[in-house]
Amino acid sequence: DTGVSQDPRHKITKRGQNVTFRCDPISEHNRLYWYRQTLGQGPEFLTYFQNEAQLEKSRLLSDRFSAERPKGSFSTLEIQRTEQGDSAMYLCASSLSRKWTSGRAGETQYFGPGTRLLVL
Amino acid sequence: AQSVAQPEDQVNVAEGNPLTVKCTYSVSGNPYLFWYVQYPNRGLQFLLKYITGDNLVKGSYGFEAEFNKSQTSFHLKKPSALVSDSALYFCAFPNRKLIWGLGTSLAVNP
Repeated sequence: DTGVSQDPRHKITKRGQNVTFRCDPISEHNRLYWYRQTLGQGPEFLTYFQNEAQLEKSRLLSDRFSAERPKGSFSTLEIQRTEQGDSAMYLCASSLSRKWTSGRAGETQYFGPGTRLLVL
Repeated sequence: AQSVAQPEDQVNVAEGNPLTVKCTYSVSGNPYLFWYVQYPNRGLQFLLKYITGDNLVKGSYGFEAEFNKSQTSFHLKKPSALVSDSALYFCAFPNRKLIWGLGTSLAVNP
């Protein structure tokens, strides 16, 4: 399978614990995105990378959240001191941008299956 | 602010009937527009996109969408609905990240 993969698919944790999610994008894709989705809602943008550079972070991404893409391939999203409000589906997407753009681009984002987090 | 809107939270249609899921946009310039579908407990799947050219865009699973600049709309359509089309549908446009509509839940009744 050459699509976007995410691990784990499900995570249950206790409030206050740290969790880390991994995303493996489609191999030739240089952009990688993280979104969060709560039940019945649309995705909310968290952050995105162009290669290894983190180019934008949402205000939703509090100090407890950190994302990395150290070699421009896979990415990790860590949540420290989890709270019940962090319970959501965390989605990763990747795309191929053929030029360095500062504005809109029409490349398609392909999504992974998501990691569902439940904080007890 | 640039945005997309999906005016209907839910659409119900009988199997075999045509379906339409509505999307309107407020985007400056020439917009790129996308449709994604999400089946229960699964990630988002790309259906189709409008970049430029023909206003009628054909996508996966027999879906198509019509870009209408005068009405600022990009409605998703299918001539004959299947029960398996029941899912959550999202309209979106890119601005580095994707800006999403709130989604429309489509229920196709047998």
